[in-house]
Amino acid sequence: AAGVIQSPRHLIKEKRETATLKCYPIPRHDTVYWYQQGPGQDPQFLISFYEKMQSDKGSIPDRFSAQQFSDYHSELNMSSLELGDSALYFCASSSPSWGARSSGANVLTFGAGSRLTVL
Amino acid sequence: QKEVEQNSGPLSVPEGAIASLNCTYSDRGSQSFFWYRQYSGKSPELIMFIYSNGDKEDGRFTAQLNKASQYVSLLIRDSQPSDSATYLCAVPPPTMDTGRRALTFGSGTRLQVQP
Repeated sequence: AAGVIQSPRHLIKEKRETATLKCYPIPRHDTVYWYQQGPGQDPQFLISFYEKMQSDKGSIPDRFSAQQFSDYHSELNMSSLELGDSALYFCASSSPSWGARSSGANVLTFGAGSRLTVL
Repeated sequence: QKEVEQNSGPLSVPEGAIASLNCTYSDRGSQSFFWYRQYSGKSPELIMFIYSNGDKEDGRFTAQLNKASQYVSLLIRDSQPSDSATYLCAVPPPTMDTGRRALTFGSGTRLQVQP
């Protein structure tokens, strides 16, 4: 079965540079979520998109932006990178119809993640 | 108070034993609860979810939900060394608003199964 595809898997940048991460959700999933996970931390929700519109915003820094395109893939753009941005970035997707059948049990399926290292 | 609280562990159990992982949540309106497993450096993978009081079994895994006490637990029977991972409890926002359905994760409990 198709899964959530993220690219690149690894990325090394210098401070103050810009990085872009891409996410291709599971086919027919219309909601995409971005999470950031620092070393030894739990995944922190950044932002989500539902039907190509931003649906919720978490702890996403102002230096970051994201969007979802007409083919439902999403990109996370990170500018003025800081050392503290070094983390695993996960994308997840979900299908609303599944959740509606299960009393709001909205199952998120995660991609393999993109590891960003800022030097 | 964090929305979801877990003991960080590590929880160490011998192979073949039952591992018991616990999670408490703060919002009484929460309706569904998820357990994810995460191996080091890998992405979270869903083990199971529960939304009704009581027990839900899936193979060696049993989720238990007690809404009155606001806790949810995960039991792993016949623990194997391959079960050694961090187990994350997650809760969606309590509303059914389709515009906000991201999961809030606890800090996770690290499980070590000793051969």
